[in-house]
Amino acid sequence: KQEVTQIPAALSVPEGENLVLNCSFTDSAIYNLQWFRQDPGKGLTSLLLIQSSQREQTSGRLNASLDKSSGRSTLYIAASQPGDSATYLCAVIRGSSNTGKLIFGQGTTLQVKP
Amino acid sequence: DVKVTQSSRYLVKRTGEKVFLECVQDMDHENMFWYRQDPGLGLRLIYFSYDVKMKEKGDIPEGYSVSREKKERFSLILESASTNQTSMYLCASSRGQKPTDTQYFGPGTRLTVL
Repeated sequence: KQEVTQIPAALSVPEGENLVLNCSFTDSAIYNLQWFRQDPGKGLTSLLLIQSSQREQTSGRLNASLDKSSGRSTLYIAASQPGDSATYLCAVIRGSSNTGKLIFGQGTTLQVKP
Repeated sequence: DVKVTQSSRYLVKRTGEKVFLECVQDMDHENMFWYRQDPGLGLRLIYFSYDVKMKEKGDIPEGYSVSREKKERFSLILESASTNQTSMYLCASSRGQKPTDTQYFGPGTRLTVL
């Protein structure tokens, strides 16, 4: 059974700091991995999607990496800003799935202090 | 832009009531999903649909049913609401059968069952 874990559960950093969020999964047979952002009381916004054949994806100040063999992904945020404060969720699609069913981690809640 | 809308942001119901949560997407997506999100448990898939009138159980379908009579609309039904169904409910949609397609989420409905 695929399990997704995110550590730490919460993180507080001063503005301008570079930071890394971690995601691990138990079964390396995945189609892809996605990182989402969730603001308090809101829905999820997709940030980055890494296909199983890819090693990383970049969007602006965000860089996500994927190491399938070790079951790990990281989300790197450069030059953090208070507007980055949110909960970040990673999710994988099982390799046996043909319908895009996501399995989520529990998220890391990030606070960036001005 | 893909838009996924949910009929209510906040809903308060009484135990035993029949509850309908509605989700509409405007991008002709094939797949639609219902999740619930609870502190400490993360997002869990309740049901999903990959075509009109087609549905499959997710990880926690007990106490719920769904209806998809039209492609753009996916309804979640609580036949007899119970207090343990108090939660944040999130709807999502994705383009097609490929598991690599990004899921787009609605803003969520926070349901309280008294």
